[in-house]
Amino acid sequence: GNSVTQMEGPVTLSEEAFLTINCTYTATGYPSLFWYVQYPGEGLQLLLKATKADDKGSNKGFEATYRKETTSFHLEKGSVQVSDSAVYFCALRIESGANNLFFGTGTRLTVIP
Amino acid sequence: DTEVTQTPKHLVMGMTNKKSLKCEQHMGHRAMYWYKQKAKKPPELMFVYSYEKLSINESVPSRFSPECPNSSLLNLHLHALQPEDSALYLCASSGRPGQIIGVNTEAFFGQGTRLTVV
Repeated sequence: GNSVTQMEGPVTLSEEAFLTINCTYTATGYPSLFWYVQYPGEGLQLLLKATKADDKGSNKGFEATYRKETTSFHLEKGSVQVSDSAVYFCALRIESGANNLFFGTGTRLTVIP
Repeated sequence: DTEVTQTPKHLVMGMTNKKSLKCEQHMGHRAMYWYKQKAKKPPELMFVYSYEKLSINESVPSRFSPECPNSSLLNLHLHALQPEDSALYLCASSGRPGQIIGVNTEAFFGQGTRLTVV
């Protein structure tokens, strides 16, 4: 089957700390991988994506590398800011005709000054 | 324009009311989606429209009725809802003109309608 497993939250970090949010997946075929971010009271925004093995997605200082050998897509940022406080969802899409995204359970990040 | 616009932003309705949620996109996307998101949970897929035709219904109760009047609009008609239907309802779209809707196409989400059923 197809599924995404994210590290349990919540995660609380001090400003300028290093962030890692782990994400691993199980998929049939060759998925694309995404990170979405949801700020309080808002919808989901695409943060970054990677469509094939060894691709690195990056945006706003966040990075994630598609690792086929470990079926992982961990999200990292070198120095977090208070404005990064949000819920982060890892997701995959497969070429199945289902037109669907499979989401992880989300990880809540709180950055304190 | 990379926006998916949803209205209203907030909606409170009684269990006997009929209301509609609206979603609009002008990116020429060929697929549109309704998701339901409960607090502290990921979005759950409800419906998918592909080229204005319903292609996926994830066993959603009939009190939720989707409609796609044209390629830019997606509605969700609500009738006789229950308090447990209270949630954030998210609309999304994907698939640019000429692009095959598939594994590489990211979905763009609206800001959602926060629905409270009383």
